[in-house]
Amino acid sequence: ETGVTQSPTHLIKTRGQQVTLRCSSQSGHNTVSWYQQALGQGPQFIFQYYREEENGRGNFPPRFSGLQFPNYSSELNVNALELDDSALYLCASSGGGGGETQYFGPGTRLLVL
Amino acid sequence: AQSVTQLDSQVPVFEEAPVELRCNYSSSVSVYLFWYVQYPNQGLQLLLKYLSGSTLVKGINGFEAEFNKSQTSFHLRKPSVHISDTAEYFCAVTLAAGNKLTFGGGTRVLVKP
Repeated sequence: ETGVTQSPTHLIKTRGQQVTLRCSSQSGHNTVSWYQQALGQGPQFIFQYYREEENGRGNFPPRFSGLQFPNYSSELNVNALELDDSALYLCASSGGGGGETQYFGPGTRLLVL
Repeated sequence: AQSVTQLDSQVPVFEEAPVELRCNYSSSVSVYLFWYVQYPNQGLQLLLKYLSGSTLVKGINGFEAEFNKSQTSFHLRKPSVHISDTAEYFCAVTLAAGNKLTFGGGTRVLVKP
């Protein structure tokens, strides 16, 4: 059984650009949640996808968007990058028999210059 | 809306000494509670969780936590720490299975030899 994987591990972009982050959920999981963790802070919920539909959204602007595919992998897209978007982006999957527990991937560290 | 407060931002502790990390939450309804650990430059790893039943929960690596509903607390303890326990620890709460996690600000544990 493979765990949650994310790509890329690191990314550097400039302000105004667009970025796509990817996440593969753990086998048997149908729900993916995305979190933003700024330096020195706890993770903040961005949104969640369940069976390819958005299933809840945190306090993030519309330039943060997502997608979930039929195999339950997911993408996080951020348009018009701002300096404050620099953070660790974490993906978590859940579902199956232990649906209440979210299992996290290693994260993608994004630096916006 | 629920919230989580981790009362200590940093906890220095000597090797083989006990440690307690404090977590308080606010919610008007029943919650599920979690502790995650984050080692440097890594994602979050689940230490333990409280869903229902016994208020004393045992997790991995010798950690345990006690749920206290009247005090709305979920403190994490370990009787004897190792150097390898140096990490950041996050308390989190969710209202329903698989829904968004709300995290505290984290407690950085530094184990000294």
